[in-house]
Amino acid sequence: SQQGEEDPQALSIQEGENATMNCSYKTSINNLQWYRQNSGRGLVHLILIRSNEREKHSGRLRVTLDTSKKSSSLLITASRAADTASYFCATESGNTPLVFGKGTRLSVIA
Amino acid sequence: KAGVTQTPRYLIKTRGQQVTLSCSPISGHRSVSWYQQTPGQGLQFLFEYFSETQRNKGNFPGRFSGRQFSNSRSEMNVSTLELGDSALYLCASSYNGGWGNLNTEAFFGQGTRLTVV
Repeated sequence: SQQGEEDPQALSIQEGENATMNCSYKTSINNLQWYRQNSGRGLVHLILIRSNEREKHSGRLRVTLDTSKKSSSLLITASRAADTASYFCATESGNTPLVFGKGTRLSVIA
Repeated sequence: KAGVTQTPRYLIKTRGQQVTLSCSPISGHRSVSWYQQTPGQGLQFLFEYFSETQRNKGNFPGRFSGRQFSNSRSEMNVSTLELGDSALYLCASSYNGGWGNLNTEAFFGQGTRLTVV
């Protein structure tokens, strides 16, 4: 069953613009993670934010977490064509495995 | 260090056959999880193994099974294949699989693309 739900399902932007993706989840979590998947390949871990953190940065990535609203956002600044991929949020709760949302498909047009 | 290795990368099988997929985790990682990815259902958790024991199991029929060896390598088996089993099967390794609130990330292999005809 899906825990996280990403929004939007698909996003198309011009190179240089910022891309924002949102994730909502249902139960309390230990952490929330964002992954990227290039077409038909494995997932690559981008960033992990713990339940007691509110914001985290990594390069051009900025993640926020609002546990009261059970939501997170991923911001990619100054997007590049190479950022074209699907982005998934995944939540970790207690001793259960990572549960993934259905992803946001990002297209960055050069 | 070497990443997660899944073999084979591509597989075509006929309905009714069985298949075994292999995953070698990152050295030192003891948790191996398997996921099925399809366009309609997204990433669905199959099972997780830790130190040769199945620790978590997803909501899949008994045709899906797995095991983990003492060197942490894992295999999953699907028997009596159905057309709906066509999917990308992903293996993920992590040090502890999230237990004990260690907040560890998962490392994924490139996946095995299974096509059932």
